[in-house]
Amino acid sequence: DTGVSQDPRHKITKRGQNVTFRCDPISEHNRLYWYRQTLGQGPEFLTYFQNEAQLEKSRLLSDRFSAERPKGSFSTLEIQRTEQGDSAMYLCAKGGPTGELFFGEGSRLTVL
Amino acid sequence: GEDVEQSLFLSVREGDSSVINCTYTDSSSTYLYWYKQEPGAGLQLLTYIFSNMDMKQDQRLTVLLNKKDKHLSLRIADTQTGDSAIYFCAEMGGGADGLTFGKGTHLIIQP
Repeated sequence: DTGVSQDPRHKITKRGQNVTFRCDPISEHNRLYWYRQTLGQGPEFLTYFQNEAQLEKSRLLSDRFSAERPKGSFSTLEIQRTEQGDSAMYLCAKGGPTGELFFGEGSRLTVL
Repeated sequence: GEDVEQSLFLSVREGDSSVINCTYTDSSSTYLYWYKQEPGAGLQLLTYIFSNMDMKQDQRLTVLLNKKDKHLSLRIADTQTGDSAIYFCAEMGGGADGLTFGKGTHLIIQP
């Protein structure tokens, strides 16, 4: 158990709908990351929070994507007007003391 | 830019040693990591090595780092069926964007 909980585990939606994923690091942790993983690929960085501040965003994060961490604890990742290309596993991770990441089980998105 | 390369598949017989190789490009990497991913699951941190070390052993796992050649390997001794998974190599570069991952090596165990 990495102490990172993600919800929902699976989401099936129709193209054009909005979806929101939630990440709860079980203990308070300064650094929180969102990654995306598509089939046959390693995880790709999306965005990073230090407490409640969003400090870094990847070019993969189009304007349809928004992430928040309002109180520096849980985080949400929203995708608006979903496209089929958004189908992927969305992984949340908390940062460890030597730079390692502890991942949750992920939220799998299927866009029909 | 940062890039991490791994071969896509490795097939070994149960009981043999598995050696999974990785090359990386960012010479400023301070730590390098190995993760394991089983089907439908998130990534599990297996081990990591600091860039000023050349070897780290942890039970059945041995990590070798050749910093000059930017080559990292993970050796799994006495490979078991439970080791069947995808193994990812990752580096921590100098930026704030966490880790850069390879595409993963599928470890296939033959009986």
